[in-house]
Amino acid sequence: GQQLNQSPQSMFIQEGEDVSMNCTSSSIFNTWLWYKQEPGEGPVLLIALYKAGELTSNGRLTAQFGITRKDSFLNISASIPSDVGIYFCAGRGGGTSYGKLTFGQGTILTVHP
Amino acid sequence: DVKVTQSSRYLVKRTGEKVFLECVQDMDHENMFWYRQDPGLGLRLIYFSYDVKMKEKGDIPEGYSVSREKKERFSLILESASTNQTSMYLCASSTAGGSHEQYFGPGTRLTVT
Repeated sequence: GQQLNQSPQSMFIQEGEDVSMNCTSSSIFNTWLWYKQEPGEGPVLLIALYKAGELTSNGRLTAQFGITRKDSFLNISASIPSDVGIYFCAGRGGGTSYGKLTFGQGTILTVHP
Repeated sequence: DVKVTQSSRYLVKRTGEKVFLECVQDMDHENMFWYRQDPGLGLRLIYFSYDVKMKEKGDIPEGYSVSREKKERFSLILESASTNQTSMYLCASSTAGGSHEQYFGPGTRLTVT
């Protein structure tokens, strides 16, 4: 089946630093989604991408749909303590039934004040 | 805003008990999903449903069953709970066409003793 590799697995950064994480797929995806999960809560959708090369921002977050359609990137600028959480990428390939998504393993982000 | 609610945030059950986890969404979504989340294993799909009374197995259906009698409600059933089913359970929903964006509930932390 489709697999997603998300990296890094964890990040420890200082407040104010920029953050980058990425996901790569073994096959072509038509949709890339980025979620954030705070401790004890369900994942919340941050950004959705639908076209190769697409670059979309949501406040300090910017995500890109890779031109090969096999990868996606999420950047967080000027991190703040409330950015702490687990960030997941998710993707959907062609022929996938009923809206099923493939999820990455998550990147655990810790921000030190 | 899409709202997905789950019947309990925390649940403690004994081995062998029958356990019901309920999920309700208010956006008239066709697709509903049940995942479990364990440290280091990410989100794993248990079952999903694309219409009332329709269900399909996900990646780890063993030990679980589901019920979807109404469009807005999707139930996960543990017929005989076991300690290895201690986990965070997440419900999600999405519309049938187009976006494939899944919206998650807050999760149920189930402990089986």
